[in-house]
Amino acid sequence: EAQVTQNPRYLITVTGKKLTVTCSQNMNHEYMSWYRQDPGLGLRQIYYSMNVEVTDKGDVPEGYKVSRKEKRNFPLILESPSPNQTSLYFCASSLLQGPLLANEQFFGPGTRLTVL
Amino acid sequence: AQKITQTQPGMFVQEKEAVTLDCTYDTSDQSYGLFWYKQPSSGEMIFLIYQGSYDEQNATEGRYSLNFQKARKSANLVISASQLGDSAMYFCAMRALGRGSTLGRLYFGRGTQLTVWP
Repeated sequence: EAQVTQNPRYLITVTGKKLTVTCSQNMNHEYMSWYRQDPGLGLRQIYYSMNVEVTDKGDVPEGYKVSRKEKRNFPLILESPSPNQTSLYFCASSLLQGPLLANEQFFGPGTRLTVL
Repeated sequence: AQKITQTQPGMFVQEKEAVTLDCTYDTSDQSYGLFWYKQPSSGEMIFLIYQGSYDEQNATEGRYSLNFQKARKSANLVISASQLGDSAMYFCAMRALGRGSTLGRLYFGRGTQLTVWP
């Protein structure tokens, strides 16, 4: 089954304790992206990647890191989480081939993070 | 820069009635695509419908249709015969090809919370 998986789905942590949210897709997609969703603000892009070893900042990258060592994986790293990073996080992927405009972006199930 | 505007934070509709969720967009690129996603209370993002800027006909997918008015830069989602299960957050998004866009990126609006009542 074609899917994007994220782990963990729920996480409660404390300020300053490093954490990683994993993201993996099995569709051989080149493009992967991380979003955070906050009430009233919609989805804001944190980081994105167009291929292995190619990553770039989105709109709200402060406090986050990413890496893309393999095509299928795109982990999100919070080196020193703070309460303002409490949010719902989505990983997504899509093809960068074929009908570029129409390629659906597939989303993971989301990770609900609370930083105390 | 690309911008998506959803002006209705919340909408209410009675079951079996039709409802229109508004979406306007701003882009200087000529080639773009518009998407609608549904997010139920369980949180997952569900793709509903797509419209390309060069498509001459409005897109339809079952009870969902997209009222695309290119000159007005609007891409409203129409849900016919609403069901209780349609209660969810709905996001409009756009992807563009051109100097103003990052290849592959989707730009999202802030969403509209739809509530369907019996």
